[in-house]
Amino acid sequence: AQSVTQLGSHVSVSEGALVLLRCNYSSSVPPYLFWYVQYPNQGLQLLLKYTTGATLVKGINGFEAEFKKSETSFHLTKPSAHMSDAAEYFCAVSDRGGGATNKLIFGTGTLLAVQP
Amino acid sequence: DAEITQSPRHKITETGRQVTLACHQTWNHNNMFWYRQDLGHGLRLIHYSYGVQDTNKGEVSDGYSVSRSNTEDLPLTLESAASSQTSVYFCASSTSGSGNEQFFGPGTRLTVL
Repeated sequence: AQSVTQLGSHVSVSEGALVLLRCNYSSSVPPYLFWYVQYPNQGLQLLLKYTTGATLVKGINGFEAEFKKSETSFHLTKPSAHMSDAAEYFCAVSDRGGGATNKLIFGTGTLLAVQP
Repeated sequence: DAEITQSPRHKITETGRQVTLACHQTWNHNNMFWYRQDLGHGLRLIHYSYGVQDTNKGEVSDGYSVSRSNTEDLPLTLESAASSQTSVYFCASSTSGSGNEQFFGPGTRLTVL
């Protein structure tokens, strides 16, 4: 069965610093990979996704993620944090191939705090 | 603009009562999903549907049911609410096929006393 691990339930960075949120998946076949963001008292919003092609994926708000098959990872980065980036971030996967269901399996989330 | 809405946004109920949470989407999506969000667990899939009259159990389906009578709506029913079902519930929808983005509603915060 697929699983997703997000290392660090809480990450704190200074404004202007690099943001790095880690995500590893466990699947025999590389899945589709997603990062979602949740602002307080809101639903989830897609930041970016990897389906095929270029392994470095750019998303909204300056975020990007790189799919590394050899490391089974899909870490999320942003060069310079902004106060508005404070939110909870979820990595998710869904299976691919014949019989793919489009169900998402989520990691437990990483709460990002940005200090002034 | 197309959207996905949930109602009510907040609900307090008592143990043993039947509760129905509404989800309505105007994207004309075939796929609809219900998740619950709990601290330390992320989001977990309760039920999902790939179209009218189609429903499937997810990871944590015990005590919940859904029905899909039209494309736009997937109501979630708690047959006999339990304190363990206190949670935030999210509905989502997507187009058919794999690897597609799911669009999420704003959530319903349910408290079972």
